[in-house]
Amino acid sequence: GQQLNQSPQSMFIQEGEDVSMNCTSSSIFNTWLWYKQDPGEGPVLLIALYKAGELTSNGRLTAQFGITRKDSFLNISASIPSDVGIYFCAGYLSGGSNYKLTFGKGTLLTVNP
Amino acid sequence: NAGVTQTPKFQVLKTGQSMTLQCAQDMNHEYMSWYRQDPGMGLRLIHYSVGAGITDQGEVPNGYNVSRSTTEDFPLRLLSAAPSQTSVYFCASSSSGQTGTQYFGPGTRLLVL
Repeated sequence: GQQLNQSPQSMFIQEGEDVSMNCTSSSIFNTWLWYKQDPGEGPVLLIALYKAGELTSNGRLTAQFGITRKDSFLNISASIPSDVGIYFCAGYLSGGSNYKLTFGKGTLLTVNP
Repeated sequence: NAGVTQTPKFQVLKTGQSMTLQCAQDMNHEYMSWYRQDPGMGLRLIHYSVGAGITDQGEVPNGYNVSRSTTEDFPLRLLSAAPSQTSVYFCASSSSGQTGTQYFGPGTRLLVL
């Protein structure tokens, strides 16, 4: 079953505000991935993290692989209307299949212009 | 490259009907998978394949069959559709195991009446 706890479930923010969301688990992960899904589309990869403690940026997005390897966060700075969508964390479990991704349930982001 | 393609985009079925959701990728990826996405549930793995001729069950396999006769194609079959299978279905592919990015198709929206 689902082994990733993603929070918050939804966020309503004003344009220009910063956003933070996170994923936690009781299990250790080898890789963390953050995806964004636009309405009517498939998820698209935003950031990939491969080492504990790794901090990676992609434009206004920053994500970190937690030191314990059981958590990750995604920050979006200076949000804009096109940031609207569902954000998913996903990861490969340590000791698990090399190919089976575990997904969080998603964070729905709404940005008011 | 077209990436991951899925057909059809939309489908309406009656209970008991059968159909095949098509998925193809042109990136020579060894790994392919099928997910279903339901409100509040995130993405759940149905079946996956680590290469031609090899398939395995994911988290929610009941009611679905798959086969992988070629590297490029990974069809998902519903033998007798049920209303509980109303969902959005995504196909994904990747290479390189736990460091590999999974690329998603645009999805198939299925309604079972």
